[in-house]
Amino acid sequence: GENVEQHPSTLSVQEGDSAVIKCTYSDSASNYFPWYKQELGKRPQLIIDIRSNVGEKKDQRIAVTLNKTAKHFSLHITETQPEDSAVYFCAASLTGGGNKLTFGTGTQLKVEL
Amino acid sequence: GAVVSQHPSRVICKSGTSVKIECRSLDFQATTMFWYRQFPKKSLMLMATSNEGSKATYEQGVEKDKFLINHASLTLSTLTVTSAHPEDSSFYICSARNSGTRFEQFFGPGTRLTVL
Repeated sequence: GENVEQHPSTLSVQEGDSAVIKCTYSDSASNYFPWYKQELGKRPQLIIDIRSNVGEKKDQRIAVTLNKTAKHFSLHITETQPEDSAVYFCAASLTGGGNKLTFGTGTQLKVEL
Repeated sequence: GAVVSQHPSRVICKSGTSVKIECRSLDFQATTMFWYRQFPKKSLMLMATSNEGSKATYEQGVEKDKFLINHASLTLSTLTVTSAHPEDSSFYICSARNSGTRFEQFFGPGTRLTVL
């Protein structure tokens, strides 16, 4: 089955700096890669996703890049703000394989003033 | 749109009792729902995939007789933790996939289960 690794496990940045979280996946057939933000005790919230037919996607301060050959994808947050502090999870899924999401281990992002 | 609810949000029960958790898609039809368990400061682990009108598909290592899943309609799936024990204490989250979209899953707010 799919295996998703995520690094780093914790990330501390100064407000206004950029944050980058990286994930690798094992199943080359996976074709959908969402990123979720989860605050303590809350549901995961989709912040951005990318499909395997594109290499990059951007939404305001958030961007995701995908390298299918290397089987890794990354989340980039620019101009970080204190409200960006949360746990971020990457995930991988295969349409036609039941759309099961395999999650990474999570990254605790702390944006310091 | 695409709202998923869960009930209850919190439950505390005695060891040996059974607990039922409901997951509802409020404004869309969900042929497939997923049940996850999340321990503190850990990732979401898929327990099972719930398909409307058919038996759930359980992930390896998940006891189907302990975690009963029923997906009786296109808007409701239930997870029953039978004979709960303290080690079953966890955050249980469901998600639903809109039949009209191929990719995105929408998550419920989660249920905090504490077994005494």
